[in-house]
Amino acid sequence: QQQVKQSPQSLIVQKGGISIINCAYENTAFDYFPWYQQFPGKGPALLIAIRPDVSEKKEGRFTISFNKSAKQFSLHIMDSQPGDSATYFCAASMSSSASKIIFGSGTRLSIRP
Amino acid sequence: DTGVSQDPRHKITKRGQNVTFRCDPISEHNRLYWYRQTLGQGPEFLTYFQNEAQLEKSRLLSDRFSAERPKGSFSTLEIQRTEQGDSAMYLCASSLSGSSETQYFGPGTRLLVL
Repeated sequence: QQQVKQSPQSLIVQKGGISIINCAYENTAFDYFPWYQQFPGKGPALLIAIRPDVSEKKEGRFTISFNKSAKQFSLHIMDSQPGDSATYFCAASMSSSASKIIFGSGTRLSIRP
Repeated sequence: DTGVSQDPRHKITKRGQNVTFRCDPISEHNRLYWYRQTLGQGPEFLTYFQNEAQLEKSRLLSDRFSAERPKGSFSTLEIQRTEQGDSAMYLCASSLSGSSETQYFGPGTRLLVL
């Protein structure tokens, strides 16, 4: 059962452009939505996270937009740089289940110089 | 380095052999998680500990898998009678209960079963 659906599977963006990755979830009990960045051969690293009581969170070039009624959230990377080339995972968890993380399937992002 | 560490980073074994992986969490973290990640997929939850107690196990964790955290610090994950389908990256993460739900991941142990 795929509880967090992520798209697209891969994405190519020109340097300086905006990268957008979308996710949808099914379980309304989720109350924490992190995004992880993973480079080849490394473990995932937390990039930015949001709770459903806010519609947007921005940290530097990274912004999460959250639509609770649609059960959707997205990651926007502004002024995308070659160093942003990595795999990005959206995820969700529930405080009531010790925050076991449910990950999306990932988006492989490539930034063209 | 005070992050999550895992050992070994790579393991190649033959089908039917037993393997054991170790995870050292961030020192003050009382929760420890194991995940498995296959190529092109997101990590999948296997099990988690709060201190030394194993509180949840996924259906993915067959009887050949066992995890321990004997003193509430480091943890081991053992796979008995390995199968080719066990080939994956095994990730460990830790967090502090009562704080944000941020889980910090280690670099993983990549297992290849021949």
